[in-house]
Amino acid sequence: GNSVTQMEGPVTLSEEAFLTINCTYTATGYPSLFWYVQYPGEGLQLLLKATKADDKGSNKGFEATYRKETTSFHLEKGSVQVSDSAVYFCALSDAGGTSYGKLTFGQGTILTVHP
Amino acid sequence: NAGVTQTPKFQVLKTGQSMTLQCAQDMNHEYMSWYRQDPGMGLRLIHYSVGAGITDQGEVPNGYNVSRSTTEDFPLRLLSAAPSQTSVYFCASSYPSSGRNEQFFGPGTRLTVL
Repeated sequence: GNSVTQMEGPVTLSEEAFLTINCTYTATGYPSLFWYVQYPGEGLQLLLKATKADDKGSNKGFEATYRKETTSFHLEKGSVQVSDSAVYFCALSDAGGTSYGKLTFGQGTILTVHP
Repeated sequence: NAGVTQTPKFQVLKTGQSMTLQCAQDMNHEYMSWYRQDPGMGLRLIHYSVGAGITDQGEVPNGYNVSRSTTEDFPLRLLSAAPSQTSVYFCASSYPSSGRNEQFFGPGTRLTVL
């Protein structure tokens, strides 16, 4: 079945540091890949997505590239801010067969950015 | 366009009580789902629906019922609440047949069972 593995957290950084959160996946088909962000006390929001190999998703300074050869979708940001403190979830959607519409999530990575 | 709405935001129940968590979306999405979020365990799928009149079980369905009589609404029923059901519950919707599989989430319901 499908699965998503994220790097262990939590991650603590100083403002303006470089961020990488690793994400690898296992899927039977050709999934779409997503990063969601959850700010304290809120629901999940879509941060970025990529639908095919070598696609790069980007939003709010965050980027992730769909690497089929390494089955990875690592999240990066060149300079984090305190306001980026949140929980980040990697997810995949494999639209085939009984997986229609379903998202498989990683366990989430807590990011804390200090001034 | 309100997106996905959930009520209530907070609820405290006693063991054995029943209740319904409400979820509605105004985006004409075909796919709706319920997740629970527990510390260190990410999001786990409880039940989902691919359209009105069609529901199916997810990863952790025991103790929960759902129905989908309209496209807009997807309530989650707790039949006899247990402390193990203390969690944050999220409803989500999407439109997979459009080719866009991203799910839109509601703000969540924080449930405590005493």
